[in-house]
Parts: sequence; C-alpha cells; structure tokens
Amino acid sequence: GAGVSQSPSNKVTEKGKDVELRCDPISGHTALYWYRQSLGQGLEFLIYFQGNSAPDKSGLPSDRFSAERTGGSVSTLTIQRTQQEDSAVYLCASSRQAGGYGYTFGSGTRLTVV
Amino acid sequence: RKEVEQDPGPFNVPEGATVAFNCTYSNSASQSFFWYRQDCRKEPKLLMSVYSSGNEDGRFTAQLNRASQYISLLIRDSKLSDSATYLCVVNGNTGKLIFGQGTTLQVKP
Repeated sequence: GAGVSQSPSNKVTEKGKDVELRCDPISGHTALYWYRQSLGQGLEFLIYFQGNSAPDKSGLPSDRFSAERTGGSVSTLTIQRTQQEDSAVYLCASSRQAGGYGYTFGSGTRLTVV
Repeated sequence: RKEVEQDPGPFNVPEGATVAFNCTYSNSASQSFFWYRQDCRKEPKLLMSVYSSGNEDGRFTAQLNRASQYISLLIRDSKLSDSATYLCVVNGNTGKLIFGQGTTLQVKP
C-alpha cells in the first residue's frame, strides 16, 4: 500500500494475556522500526530491522517483548503476559534505508491492558 | 542525561507570532537531524530535515550547530493550524532515530 499499515488499531486485553501487533511497511522499504509512546510521553525505541541484518533489540524493555520480520516485509511485535504498564500506543515506521532518511509512521496500535 | 532534550513548553502564542524551539543532543557522532510534527492522538510526521547550512521551507527555518550540538526550528507568521507537538529527532551512527520528548505549541486567535 501507499503507507505503513498497522493492525489492530485498538486492542484491549486482560493482564497476563499475550498480544500480537502487526505492521506492514511501505513496499520497498528495507528498514522497519517499532516505538511505543505512553500517554503524554515521548517515543521510546523498541527494535529495529534492517534488511537481512540481525535486528537491533536494544530497546526492548523485557524478555516478554519480541518481534520478528518475515520475508523482509511484514513485522509482528509480540508481548507475552501483558502488564498494565505495557499500555501505550505502539508505532511502527519504515524507511527506504537506515540512517539519514526520515521515517514514515503507521497510525499505531493503541494497547490497553486491564 | 537524555540523548535528545527539548523544552516541553507549552508555548502559547498569538496568530502571526514568530516562535522558536531549541533542542540539544548528546551524541557528537550524530549524522542526521529532523523535525517531526505530531498532532494530538496522531502519528508523528516528518516536517523537515535539518542541514548543516540551515534550511528553510516556507514559514519554517531549521538550523544546526554541530559545535554546540544544538538544533533549532523557527516558525514565522504562526497559524492556528501550526498547533501541535514538535519533535526534535537525531540519528546517530546506529541507524535508528532518537526522538526528543517534544515541544507543544498552541497558537491562539
């Protein structure tokens, strides 16, 4: 598609359940990023994929968080045993290549853990 | 110390005013710089890149001072539609962008 697509747009889940968030980047973009933004806060880097290189997972807050990118395109962010502090907007972005190019963001998944 | 620091504001200005936002970054190896705009409950969108020589896009002027590790954004003739949060963004040599907390601008009639 023309833009970065994320699904679902909203997700409400019970504490302790697992959730999967999906991101479809812009076709041809080799770099894909996940960020999260808590209410009234800035963007927190989570993980970054560039082509076939090993992902940069340095921003994942705990081992409950994982992400994969299949076929160099679609990415899934998985949060296991969700906690209330995981509630945030999860934003995916892609860019033509890493480094000095701006990102295009998706509209995000708003996750609420109750 | 945060990698990218901004004054969170809010900046409340009347229509037509000129307003300037500042940002500092800690990583001297940073290579690329941007300003993003984020409207309430929306995703961030690229406003403009920031070049060493300074650059202008209509009413918006961005400047970079590498020696001081300082970036600025100037908005002239503010419009109501400029009300948003402005994010200072820096790319180090790691491939990922680091976002500041954002500066909130409210332009009033």
